[in-house]
Amino acid sequence: DAGITQSPRHKVTETGTPVTLRCHQTENHRYMYWYRQDPGHGLRLIHYSYGVKDTDKGEVSDGYSVSRSKTEDFLLTLESATSSQTSVYFCAIRGTDTQYFGPGTRLTVL
Amino acid sequence: GENVEQHPSTLSVQEGDSAVIKCTYSDSASNYFPWYKQELGKRPQLIIDIRSNVGEKKDQRIAVTLNKTAKHFSLHITETQPEDSAVYFCAARMVSGGTSYGKLTFGQGTILTVHP
Repeated sequence: DAGITQSPRHKVTETGTPVTLRCHQTENHRYMYWYRQDPGHGLRLIHYSYGVKDTDKGEVSDGYSVSRSKTEDFLLTLESATSSQTSVYFCAIRGTDTQYFGPGTRLTVL
Repeated sequence: GENVEQHPSTLSVQEGDSAVIKCTYSDSASNYFPWYKQELGKRPQLIIDIRSNVGEKKDQRIAVTLNKTAKHFSLHITETQPEDSAVYFCAARMVSGGTSYGKLTFGQGTILTVHP
């Protein structure tokens, strides 16, 4: 499974609280991505990183921030969680061409 | 930006039949088209991919075809089996300003059900 882990795997939180999801890779890949998956929408890109401290926005970045201080870790932060951010979040890394996904984090915002 | 449309949204076939899923993309500069299979509660996993300089690729019962002129690509599964039941996603790699950073735009997904 391409050496990608995500933590936590499940989280329930309340509206207005900050939440940080972690993606960890052991493959030393340069590119990392955060997606959210919702029924009827497929996978939508939130943010991506092309190196340590190099990040940029995807198509659904409002309400999210990211940080990458080490090659192996890519953090996704919801500054103030809202119910619309209830979703399954997947991290991915890029090989030569292909993206490989982590196991996902199911986040519920009450 | 890139837009990828995937059809059908659901597909039901009998075991042994063929299944075809189609995707269209908007950006003629897109150059890489992977297909992912996602089983319930699992992560998406790559099953086959094709680059823009190739028209067709096969891997056992799975094949992908690409028509760059029409900007569409299709997944073909022959001799379907119940274990092929899953959600399938197509994707296209965006290219902007000469680079893509490997970003993918995904279709909305197709729920394939193979009945024994």
